[in-house]
Amino acid sequence: EIVLTQSPGTLSLSPGERATLSCRASQSVSSSYLAWYQQKPGQAPRLLIYGASSRATGIPDRFSGSGSGTDFTLTISRLEPEDFAVYYCQQYGSSPLTFGPGTKVDIK
Amino acid sequence: EVQLVESGGGLVKPGGSLRLSCAASGFTFSSYSMNWVRQAPGKGLEWVSSISSSSSYIYYADSVKGRFTISRDNAKNSLYLQMNSLRAEDTAVYYCARFLGKDWYFDLWGRGTLVTVSS
Repeated sequence: EIVLTQSPGTLSLSPGERATLSCRASQSVSSSYLAWYQQKPGQAPRLLIYGASSRATGIPDRFSGSGSGTDFTLTISRLEPEDFAVYYCQQYGSSPLTFGPGTKVDIK
Repeated sequence: EVQLVESGGGLVKPGGSLRLSCAASGFTFSSYSMNWVRQAPGKGLEWVSSISSSSSYIYYADSVKGRFTISRDNAKNSLYLQMNSLRAEDTAVYYCARFLGKDWYFDLWGRGTLVTVSS
């Protein structure tokens, strides 16, 4: 089973700042099969990024993903008020599918 | 509107059973593999089970194997999860989620239904 570790656990930033979230895998994620989701309180997760770097339909271009192998990054170029949420990475390169524990981005 | 709507959650005693349903609309349900993903209160996401479009392939997390059964009825645009021998650690919001195509990430989620296992 591939274990995903996300850091930091919490990121305290102000609107307009840049957010950099990390997701590290315990072994290489094949074909960069790595996705990112955003979840707000009381809501279902929303797909942001798949294939490590491809934005999902309707996702603003301030969200970008990068990385390969065991190290992946989600970057939010300029935080908007609606971006404060919890972000999860998920690998789908091998079974079982696994999620990281999440990074909470909150308002400083 | 493209959506998934779960139902069937509630309070059940340890050792009990519950059947969750997920109604799909706005897309060709029979063309997509479907899943259940759960989230314990205040915790992260855990994949539970997947079923292919024609029910030919079914997968379970080790934590639920032998206790949960996933199924679907394409004529009714519905997904199900039969949960038996429930434990306190099964307490969670259960989400119905869709795989987009052949890659196993979740592009569409329902709002979830809460299952509480407690005496």
